[in-house]
Amino acid sequence: DAMVIQNPRYQVTQFGKPVTLSCSQTLNHNVMYWYQQKSSQAPKLLFHYYDKDFNNEADTPDNFQSRRPNTSFCFLDIRSPGLGDAAMYLCATSRVAGGSSYNEQFFGPGTRLTVL
Amino acid sequence: GENVEQHPSTLSVQEGDSAVIKCTYSDSASNYFPWYKQELGKRPQLIIDIRSNVGEKKDQRIAVTLNKTAKHFSLHITETQPEDSAVYFCAACPTDSWGKLQFGAGTQVVVTP
Repeated sequence: DAMVIQNPRYQVTQFGKPVTLSCSQTLNHNVMYWYQQKSSQAPKLLFHYYDKDFNNEADTPDNFQSRRPNTSFCFLDIRSPGLGDAAMYLCATSRVAGGSSYNEQFFGPGTRLTVL
Repeated sequence: GENVEQHPSTLSVQEGDSAVIKCTYSDSASNYFPWYKQELGKRPQLIIDIRSNVGEKKDQRIAVTLNKTAKHFSLHITETQPEDSAVYFCAACPTDSWGKLQFGAGTQVVVTP
């Protein structure tokens, strides 16, 4: 009964080599979020999709892009990973109605990214 | 934007004692306040949440209180057990933010037997 699935769980890439992380959900939630979490820190929101509407946080680097081809899937693309991008990347989903009626955010297990 | 402060950053308690974590928020428009527990290497998991039309909510050994006037909310864990050891994050969600959560910095709770 997996709800939010992330693949891969561990990803190793080389400095500057593009990488794509994936997230899928079986909850049919309309909002999907991508967070970056570094050791001993709180999750930091990178961007979110409300349905197909993309919302970028002001301080998210241009190096990070996202795609949501359908309700179930969302991808995080890191175009040129740097050493500072090594982190846990968490996907989350939620059902939001009208922008002000929201419920629990369900997190996936995360993808731990290592940059060599 | 919303800013959430969380204290303490670390909390050590003896098994069976109570633990209290406090958070303050800045945006008076925030009206949803979840608490997440995150064990090492695992995903954050919601343990309790409260909405602004409620002052207190309890679920077994866990309770959350909200003071809208003072803009602070607290997590109370009673009869702590070693499995309560984890990092706890509070968060605030402003109205019309599409569910965007502003997290506190987290509290590392260690319960010693």
